[in-house]
Amino acid sequence: EPEVTQTPSHQVTQMGQEVILRCVPISNHLYFYWYRQILGQKVEFLVSFYNNEISEKSEIFDDQFSVERPDGSNFTLKIRSTKLEDSAMYFCASSNRGQPTGELFFGEGSRLTVL
Amino acid sequence: QKEVEQNSGPLSVPEGAIASLNCTYSDRGSQSFFWYRQYSGKSPELIMSIYSNGDKEDGRFTAQLNKASQYVSLLIRDSQPSDSATYLCAVPNQAGTALIFGKGTTLSVSS
Repeated sequence: EPEVTQTPSHQVTQMGQEVILRCVPISNHLYFYWYRQILGQKVEFLVSFYNNEISEKSEIFDDQFSVERPDGSNFTLKIRSTKLEDSAMYFCASSNRGQPTGELFFGEGSRLTVL
Repeated sequence: QKEVEQNSGPLSVPEGAIASLNCTYSDRGSQSFFWYRQYSGKSPELIMSIYSNGDKEDGRFTAQLNKASQYVSLLIRDSQPSDSATYLCAVPNQAGTALIFGKGTTLSVSS
């Protein structure tokens, strides 16, 4: 069964360092998303991406964040200068249809720990 | 800003019982609704989607939608310990460009 894959599964970094989280969406999907979940809290939307551009971004997705689809398979989330409060699980998701009917399929997540 | 509200629980039921999970949403114009299951430390996994008023059944799971009252529920029949997880309700945002999740209800099924 096709799945969304994410790397790394866990990354520890120092405050102020740049981090890149990588995702390979399901191959025939066209809509891509990043969500984050701080430990014990809700799954929060960060950004959606379609046709090589951002469709929507939340208030969380400030200038420290960027997304890119550098080739036909990868979808990356970059945090330019990490803060302690960026520590969270980051989930990539993809869909073969846009909202409001598209079902999101999630990767296993990348846990980011900022020290 | 769309809101999705869920009782965080925990909801505790004995094995074999029916578990009922509820979700209310703020935007009367919402057209599609999703239930996800999230095991501790894992990613959300889609269980069901529902778009029309009424019930939709899939195995032991039944989603119920009442647009007039702006709630959607998930019933789990014959609950099993393996159903113990957090159940997330999600609706599309205003622009239809993402899903917005509730905080989730934690279900505990005891054997």
